[in-house]
Formats: sequence, structure tokens, C-alpha cells
Amino acid sequence: SQQGEEDPQALSIQEGENATMNCSYKTSINNLQWYRQNSGRGLVHLILIRSNEREKHSGRLRVTLDTSKKSSSLLITASRAADTASYFCATDGNDYKLSFGAGTTVTVRA
Amino acid sequence: SQTIHQWPATLVQPVGSPLSLECTVEGTSNPNLYWYRQAAGRGLQLLFYSVGIGQISSEVPQNLSASRPQDRQFILSSKKLLLSDSGFYLCAWSVNRRLYSSHSNQPQHFGDGTRLSIL
Repeated sequence: SQQGEEDPQALSIQEGENATMNCSYKTSINNLQWYRQNSGRGLVHLILIRSNEREKHSGRLRVTLDTSKKSSSLLITASRAADTASYFCATDGNDYKLSFGAGTTVTVRA
Repeated sequence: SQTIHQWPATLVQPVGSPLSLECTVEGTSNPNLYWYRQAAGRGLQLLFYSVGIGQISSEVPQNLSASRPQDRQFILSSKKLLLSDSGFYLCAWSVNRRLYSSHSNQPQHFGDGTRLSIL
């Protein structure tokens, strides 16, 4: 079943601007992961944040996690055309599975 | 380094025909393996996962089946395809968390997918 839900569904920004997308979930998690999917390709893992972490950085990516609100955000700074993709959050429960949201489609305009 | 191969990239099949999609992983041992289906513009639906040879867990009852005949080989099959089986099928692997006595799932690494069209 789908636990994570991304918001917004779609986002269009100018190159150089920042892009922020949010993920909400319903049950307790061990960790939350963000993935990117280019059109017609498989998903690529971007970043994992554990339930006891509040913020994590990786290059131009910044992820926050608020377990009290059951939400996470992904910020892409100084966006580039190559950042055009769909972004998915995935929550890790107490089994061997990840639950993926429906994704946010980001379009970066040159 | 680890790699995952999934084939074919594109497949067009008539309704009622059989299906076999194959996925292999290199460079790691005893991985967790996953099959997902993705409808156009949607998220991923987990179909099957496996934590070891011959161990298959089914998430969604349907006319698909999966097998893991070897440690790094995962096969998705159907005896008779339906129109509703059309979609983008993705295979993924992750490090088996039991090897690390961990309760957390590790990141998953995906193949490039198979676009399946049923006519």
C-alpha cells in the first residue's frame, strides 16, 4: 500500500531557482528515502534519513524529517535542467518493503 | 561495484500469451530482490519480493508469479497475460538487512525497467 504522499504533484521552476517538495506519511518509520526517476528509466536513490535525524545534506540536496508531523521535505538548490525528473519519497516500516508515494514531477526551464 | 540488469527493455505481447522477465544482479551476494509495476505517471506498486533463494512474498494477488532460482536471479512470469498487465516493470535489489542485524531497510537499486504493452 502507498504510505508516502508527495506534494505538489508537479512543479515548474526556472533554472537556478530552488525546488521544494514535501512528503507526508501515516505510520511510524525506521527511515525515509528519496529517489529520482528520469523519464522512462529506473529510480535512483538520492538520500536516506533515519528516524532519529532531523536534517541531512548531500550536495545540492537538503532533506528534513519531522517525525512529530510525519512529514519530510526535499530541497534542491540552484536547480539545473538535468534536475528535471520525478521525485519519490519512500518510507521504511518494520518489514522488508519500502512504500513509495506517487511522486512529484519537477520541470526545470532553461 | 554492483550492477543490475533487466531485460528486455521493451516488450509487446498479445493478450493470453505467456511472459518471462528476467533480472540479474552482479557484485553482491544474498540481496533482497523486488519486482514493481508502475502505471503511467504514478508511483510504484510492489508485486513481489524475495529475501533468499526460493523465498517469494506476493503483495498483490494477480495472474503474475515470481521465482528466484539462483541467488542473484529474479524472474517475473505469467501464463496468460491480460490487458491490465500493461505497464512499466522495475526490478530492484537492496542489501539484505539481516546480514547487518538491522531493522532498517537499505536503499534499493533499480534496473532500467521493461515497458510491457499488451495488445
